[in-house]
Amino acid sequence: GAVVSQHPSRVICKSGTSVKIECRSLDFQATTMFWYRQFPKQSLMLMATSNEGSKATYEQGVEKDKFLINHASLTLSTLTVTSAHPEDSSFYICSAREAQREPKTQYFGPGTRLLVL
Amino acid sequence: AQSVSQHNHHVILSEAASLELGCNYSYGGTVNLFWYVQYPGQHLQLLLKYFSGDPLVKGIKGFEAEFIKSKFSFNLRKPSVQWSDTAEYFCAVVTGTASKLTFGTGTRLQVTL
Repeated sequence: GAVVSQHPSRVICKSGTSVKIECRSLDFQATTMFWYRQFPKQSLMLMATSNEGSKATYEQGVEKDKFLINHASLTLSTLTVTSAHPEDSSFYICSAREAQREPKTQYFGPGTRLLVL
Repeated sequence: AQSVSQHNHHVILSEAASLELGCNYSYGGTVNLFWYVQYPGQHLQLLLKYFSGDPLVKGIKGFEAEFIKSKFSFNLRKPSVQWSDTAEYFCAVVTGTASKLTFGTGTRLQVTL
């Protein structure tokens, strides 16, 4: 099956620092990747959609200068939380889909728990 | 915009009981429907999906779901739950030409021994 990995799985940082999270599709080419945020006991909220080689499309209310997304290859997308603050603490999840095979199915990574002190 | 409703927020069942989790969506056109499961401490996994054809879809681990177009519903069922089914269950929909998944709020299932 389609496997998506994320790194790191957990990160603790000081307020004001930047944190980069990687999302990789391990056994397929991900033409589109998605970044979600999940608060405790809540559903996933889509932050942005990224297509390989083009700029990410952000959802309303998501600051693109704060959450930088890069999708430079068909197997890697990165999310950088710039100048992180405690309110950015959350569970960040990426997903990927392979347009050729199953255009509507997304496969999810294990998530990255970010704690900003 | 499309929306997805899961009316059961927290369900507690004994092992061997039957399960039905409700999912309703609001969109009048073509839909693709999904159920994902998130076991404690693990990532989202695809349980089953409906794109077209037979409205009764069978997924992994004995789960099934029925798409009833007239009711805008895609309820998840399992005849006999196990303790290991304890997890959070999310219904999701992709509509028309949209590329985005819209998730329901999730249902926490707790299965007791």
